[in-house]
Amino acid sequence: QKEVEQDPGPLSVPEGAIVSLNCTYSNSAFQYFMWYRQYSRKGPELLMYTYSSGNKEDGRFTAQVDKSSKYISLFIRDSQPSDSATYLCAMNYGGATNKLIFGTGTLLAVQP
Amino acid sequence: EAQVTQNPRYLITVTGKKLTVTCSQNMNHEYMSWYRQDPGLGLRQIYYSMNVEVTDKGDVPEGYKVSRKEKRNFPLILESPSPNQTSLYFCASSRAASYGYTFGSGTRLTVV
Repeated sequence: QKEVEQDPGPLSVPEGAIVSLNCTYSNSAFQYFMWYRQYSRKGPELLMYTYSSGNKEDGRFTAQVDKSSKYISLFIRDSQPSDSATYLCAMNYGGATNKLIFGTGTLLAVQP
Repeated sequence: EAQVTQNPRYLITVTGKKLTVTCSQNMNHEYMSWYRQDPGLGLRQIYYSMNVEVTDKGDVPEGYKVSRKEKRNFPLILESPSPNQTSLYFCASSRAASYGYTFGSGTRLTVV
């Protein structure tokens, strides 16, 4: 079993839709949770960073962490064609190594 | 502009011919890391470094070497490349443990 599971998609939505992206994880030792966005032929770009359970909002993006269920989500409101990318969840145990464990990514296409 | 710079962006080489992928960051970050990205497997850590002269193995270190002689540079060395090292490689840096990484644009390596 992988430590981090993520539905690969692809996910296709119309412009303006609310998008929900999810990851589950198996190791309760994870402490830091992130979402990265990766455009084609580019490196991943940090989108959201959270530490505790609960919600964190940044513009059209909301990151949600439920440690009791080992489940994290990213919501995108009023989705735009420019949001079309692969979204990667990532988790970190904390401590000195700063090792990120990534999900395999969900490919999102927002249709105009 | 704060960035992680990798070179080359694309590389085709033959089995057994030593190669080096360079990585440099201009953000004075302590942590640097190399990841490879493969379809269905996601991003996996090869090596990481917590500071100058401090490096350690990640999840898939076999066939790779790294060095960290200066804070800004973290080259990835393949002494004898093999076809199973054909992949997309990313260098990344982070200011401290548990912070997110800033990624470079990637190096697509093909070993024939």
